[in-house]
Amino acid sequence: EADIYQTPRYLVIGTGKKITLECSQTMGHDKMYWYQQDPGMELHLIHYSYGVNSTEKGDLSSESTVSRIRTEHFPLTLESARPSHTSQYLCASSAWTSYEQYFGPGTRLTVT
Amino acid sequence: QQQVKQSPQSLIVQKGGISIINCAYENTAFDYFPWYQQFPGKGPALLIAIRPDVSEKKEGRFTISFNKSAKQFSLHIMDSQPGDSATYFCAARHYEGGSEKLVFGKGTKLTVNP
Repeated sequence: EADIYQTPRYLVIGTGKKITLECSQTMGHDKMYWYQQDPGMELHLIHYSYGVNSTEKGDLSSESTVSRIRTEHFPLTLESARPSHTSQYLCASSAWTSYEQYFGPGTRLTVT
Repeated sequence: QQQVKQSPQSLIVQKGGISIINCAYENTAFDYFPWYQQFPGKGPALLIAIRPDVSEKKEGRFTISFNKSAKQFSLHIMDSQPGDSATYFCAARHYEGGSEKLVFGKGTKLTVNP
């Protein structure tokens, strides 16, 4: 089982609040990803990073931002949460020379 | 061009039967095709993957069949078990301009009845 962690696992928060979803991996992977997944639906890439100080936006437009200050850590921040942000957020990582992506357990976010 | 079309949306199979899930794509630049298994409340887990220069790959009860000319690939689960009940996603890797991305199908919810 891959060593990739996400906290919190569940979060219910009011509109307008700032939130940060944490993602850490202990595998030393250079590549990290954030996906958004609505229940029972496909995954959409919202951010990715190929190493420290490298971040790019994915295919799905998102109001979130990410940072990569350390190899093992890839947090996602929403400055002002809205009900439309309600979803599951999945973090993944991959070794530089590999195509295989390992996923964390996800954070289920509900914005009221 | 960047889509992966997956079918069926849901599938019910009896224990011991064969489960078959199909995916189709248009972009011939895709170069890696993984299948992920996701249980409720969990993140997807890589099940098996194939590259386009191979027509079939088998790992235990799971087999990927790949048809490059038809731009289709499928997952076969032999001797399906209730523990296989999960949502399965096919995906395809695209590499362009220094960035690589996985494009996912919409998923198939598999139920294996005991």
